[in-house]
Amino acid sequence: KQEVTQIPAALSVPEGENLVLNCSFTDSAIYNLQWFRQDPGKGLTSLLLIQSSQREQTSGRLNASLDKSSGRSTLYIAASQPGDSATYLCAADNYGQNFVFGPGTRLSVLP
Amino acid sequence: NAGVTQTPKFQVLKTGQSMTLQCAQDMNHNSMYWYRQDPGMGLRLIYYSASEGTTDKGEVPNGYNVSRLNKREFSLRLESAAPSQTSVYFCASTRGRITGNTIYFGEGSWLTVV
Repeated sequence: KQEVTQIPAALSVPEGENLVLNCSFTDSAIYNLQWFRQDPGKGLTSLLLIQSSQREQTSGRLNASLDKSSGRSTLYIAASQPGDSATYLCAADNYGQNFVFGPGTRLSVLP
Repeated sequence: NAGVTQTPKFQVLKTGQSMTLQCAQDMNHNSMYWYRQDPGMGLRLIYYSASEGTTDKGEVPNGYNVSRLNKREFSLRLESAAPSQTSVYFCASTRGRITGNTIYFGEGSWLTVV
């Protein structure tokens, strides 16, 4: 059974800092790995999707990488801004098991 | 540009009452899902519908029923609400089991059972 973990659980950084969020999964048989943003009281918004055959995806200041062999994905946020403050979740889309979500990393970017 | 719409946004129920959460998507997606999100537990799958006419249990189906009314709509019913069902419920949809399967979420339904 797939298990997804995220480290750290919470992170507080000053504005302008580059940061890395980590996602680990136990079963490498995945279709893809997705990263989401969740603002308080809101639903999840998809940020990046990395297909199993890809190594990374980029969107603006966000870069996500995938290493299936080690069961890891990272989300890199460049030049962080207060508006980036949110909870970031990763989810593994598994063969025969649907999406399995990590618990999230709560990010605070301080002005 | 509605995407995934779910109602109601907030609901308070008494133990034993029943209610239905409604969900509709306008993206012509094949697959739809119901999740619950609880502090410290993350998102857990309740039921899903891979395509119109099919439904399957997820990780935590007990106490719930679902109906895939048509391709657009997927409802979640609590027949006899219990305090343990106090949670935030999210409906989601995807095109289906193909590469590049981005999942889209509704805004959530906050349910309190007293």
